[in-house]
Amino acid sequence: DQQVKQNSPSLSVQEGRISILNCDYTNSMFDYFLWYKKYPAEGPTFLISISSIKDKNEDGRFTVFLNKSAKHLSLHIVPSQPGDSAVYFCAASGNSGGSNYKLTFGKGTLLTVNP
Amino acid sequence: NAGVTQTPKFRVLKTGQSMTLLCAQDMNHEYMYWYRQDPGMGLRLIHYSVGEGTTAKGEVPDGYNVSRLKKQNFLLGLESAAPSQTSVYFCASSYAGVETQYFGPGTRLLVL
Repeated sequence: DQQVKQNSPSLSVQEGRISILNCDYTNSMFDYFLWYKKYPAEGPTFLISISSIKDKNEDGRFTVFLNKSAKHLSLHIVPSQPGDSAVYFCAASGNSGGSNYKLTFGKGTLLTVNP
Repeated sequence: NAGVTQTPKFRVLKTGQSMTLLCAQDMNHEYMYWYRQDPGMGLRLIHYSVGEGTTAKGEVPDGYNVSRLKKQNFLLGLESAAPSQTSVYFCASSYAGVETQYFGPGTRLLVL
């Protein structure tokens, strides 16, 4: 049973436009959410995170929105740049039985930003 | 700082062979993790450790063993490799109780 879902395997946008990557989760115990970015042949790198006590977190061109009632979060990239082309993973963590240090990952969304 | 490093970068094994993947981190992190990434499957946790001398099972532990004899190293062993273990393996580490994990570059393993 997939607890973190990224239903769009891929997304293509034009340079300068907004990229919106979506993520849904089913486990109501999740209270911390992260986005990782992964280039081919490299390990994932941390991008941005949000705690369940917030509904928005911004870092430069990247903003993550959290809708707890809908169990949905999204990553907005504005403006998108060709260097943003990568696979983006959504991950979640929750304090369920003291295991709040484990992350559950979605399957990833491949973002392609076209010049 | 080198961060998280993994050895080897690529390996080909025959079915039934054994091998050990080495992960090292120089950030003094308490927690370390092993994941595998397969096409269309995202990252799945194999085993993890919350400190030197401790290990625990993750989501997909069968066929793997781990050891954490030193705080900076986390070893992943395959005693008898199977083609189903063909994957990309990532090691990660984090500070105790902090969600943000830092990943190594990965090890590509092909089991024939």
